[in-house]
Amino acid sequence: DVKVTQSSRYLVKRTGEKVFLECVQDMDHENMFWYRQDPGLGLRLIYFSYDVKMKEKGDIPEGYSVSREKKERFSLILESASTNQTSMYLCASSSSQGDEQYFGPGTRLTVT
Amino acid sequence: GQNIDQPTEMTATEGAIVQINCTYQTSGFNGLFWYQQHAGEAPTFLSYNVLDGLEEKGRFSSFLSRSKGYSYLLLKELQMKDSASYLCVPWVGGYQKVTFGTGTKLQVIP
Repeated sequence: DVKVTQSSRYLVKRTGEKVFLECVQDMDHENMFWYRQDPGLGLRLIYFSYDVKMKEKGDIPEGYSVSREKKERFSLILESASTNQTSMYLCASSSSQGDEQYFGPGTRLTVT
Repeated sequence: GQNIDQPTEMTATEGAIVQINCTYQTSGFNGLFWYQQHAGEAPTFLSYNVLDGLEEKGRFSSFLSRSKGYSYLLLKELQMKDSASYLCVPWVGGYQKVTFGTGTKLQVIP
């Protein structure tokens, strides 16, 4: 079974802090994704990566950056956390373009 | 861009059959995914249609008409655990990102 893990299920940070969310997949997938999900808005893509050291902006990249130094790991960085970044963050991976995405359990981030 | 149209909410009775419709307009099209998402959990993959017609997988079936920009998900013998949101997700091809809408929230009642 594909397994996608995220570093924390729940996280509370203060405004202005730098926040790192880690995602690891164990199936040698090429593609990895970061989404956020807010009530009534569905999943919105922040960034995705289709190869090591490659990244592409999604729909809402502002205030975020990403890092993919190893194939299995994709990190989301909030440079200076703000209250409007309070959300559920979901990481996903897929084998190649057009394949189904496998999601991690999510990190519920609260910024106070 | 992409435009996806699904009902926001549906209610159905345990043991019944329900059909969740989806129409889409995309610039390019390669296939369509359906995902299930229980409240508070991550989405899980249900089906992928690339050709016209019906794909059956146990109690769940998915239909696609490429010419009409139309798909539906059919759930048979509904169970309480089928209460979830169902997301219709077109894929336009290549390294284009997929767009997840808000989906259809299905409530199964006794």
